[in-house]
Amino acid sequence: GAVVSQHPSRVICKSGTSVKIECRSLDFQATTMFWYRQFPKQSLMLMATSNEGSKATYEQGVEKDKFLINHASLTLSTLTVTSAHPEDSSFYICSARARDGVDDSPLHFGNGTRLTVT
Amino acid sequence: GNSVTQMEGPVTLSEEAFLTINCTYTATGYPSLFWYVQYPGEGLQLLLKATKADDKGSNKGFEATYRKETTSFHLEKGSVQVSDSAVYFCALRGGSEKLVFGKGTKLTVNP
Repeated sequence: GAVVSQHPSRVICKSGTSVKIECRSLDFQATTMFWYRQFPKQSLMLMATSNEGSKATYEQGVEKDKFLINHASLTLSTLTVTSAHPEDSSFYICSARARDGVDDSPLHFGNGTRLTVT
Repeated sequence: GNSVTQMEGPVTLSEEAFLTINCTYTATGYPSLFWYVQYPGEGLQLLLKATKADDKGSNKGFEATYRKETTSFHLEKGSVQVSDSAVYFCALRGGSEKLVFGKGTKLTVNP
């Protein structure tokens, strides 16, 4: 089945530094990828929609200059948390839909990245 | 806007017990409804889905019926196993590609 690889699975960084998270579709091409953030005991909140070859679409309240998204190819999207602060500590999850997927084709999710900012 | 409300956990059951996890939604139009499962240490996986009223999604012994009159999509399984221990998310998708998730319900099944 379709596989989405997310890396790293865990990262600890110091406040003020930047962290890059990669999301790769391993056996299919993904025109669209989605980035979610999950707080403890909370739902997954959509942060942004990443479209290959164009700018990402951010949800209301998400700072685009802080959460930089790049979708340079049909198999790779990256999320960079810039100048990270402790409040950015969270679980980040990406998902992707196959390029030729029909409207009801499922999203395939990565295993998530646990970010801890000290 | 669209929203999903699912019962809060955690839910703890003995093996072979009957499972129900309630899910209700608010949406305009006719959304598609989904249940996703997240096993420990893994990403979310689609468990089942239904795209129109009265549809029943089923997979691995789990079932959920799209009830438009009650705006519900409750997840059920007649006999749970230890391997079903996971977090279950109800979700909907309206006119766009965006999925809206519930908060998740953690299920623990004891032998």
